[in-house]
Amino acid sequence: AQSVTQPDIHITVSEGASLELRCNYSYGATPYLFWYVQSPGQGLQLLLKYFSGDTLVQGIKGFEAEFKRSQSSFNLRKPSVHWSDAAEYFCASNDYKLSFGAGTTVTVRA
Amino acid sequence: EAGVAQSPRYKIIEKRQSVAFWCNPISGHATLYWYQQILGQGPKLLIQFQNNGVVDDSQLPKDRFSAERLKGVDSTLKIQPAKLEDSAVYLCASSFGQGWYFGPGTRLTVL
Repeated sequence: AQSVTQPDIHITVSEGASLELRCNYSYGATPYLFWYVQSPGQGLQLLLKYFSGDTLVQGIKGFEAEFKRSQSSFNLRKPSVHWSDAAEYFCASNDYKLSFGAGTTVTVRA
Repeated sequence: EAGVAQSPRYKIIEKRQSVAFWCNPISGHATLYWYQQILGQGPKLLIQFQNNGVVDDSQLPKDRFSAERLKGVDSTLKIQPAKLEDSAVYLCASSFGQGWYFGPGTRLTVL
């Protein structure tokens, strides 16, 4: 069964700086990978997903992620962070069910 | 298109009491999921329905948790009796193809 690992529990970044969140997946035949964001008290919102094809995926809110099979990674990036990006971010994978990593909390400082 | 609806949004109970959560998925979505999200952790799948049949309930604590999906539409998740460690957000999701849609969740506090 496929699973994902998020190595960073908490990241603090300055507003306007770039952000990169790490996600590693265990090997699966066809990795379906996702990034979700959860703001305090809110539900999960899909940022982007990768099924196949172009390894650089564009998502909503200015986020992108790059699938690297050689590194078993699917890292999320944003060039310039806004204060509203402070939230919990979850990487997820699907083989026959959607499984989530433990999440990375992003704090944005002014 | 209406999203996944859940109620109640918040519930506070004492341990050993029972509680039930309700979920209405997006119309036409055959697959429905219940996830448990403990504070500081990622969501954990409790049970997955395909129409009104159970596909996966391997992570459901069946001695106290039960779930049903009558007529393949709405679903209820019940806990009886509740324990302190059941305090969490319970998320309902529905899917069509490779798209998952989550409800706002029910935050349960067990005192």
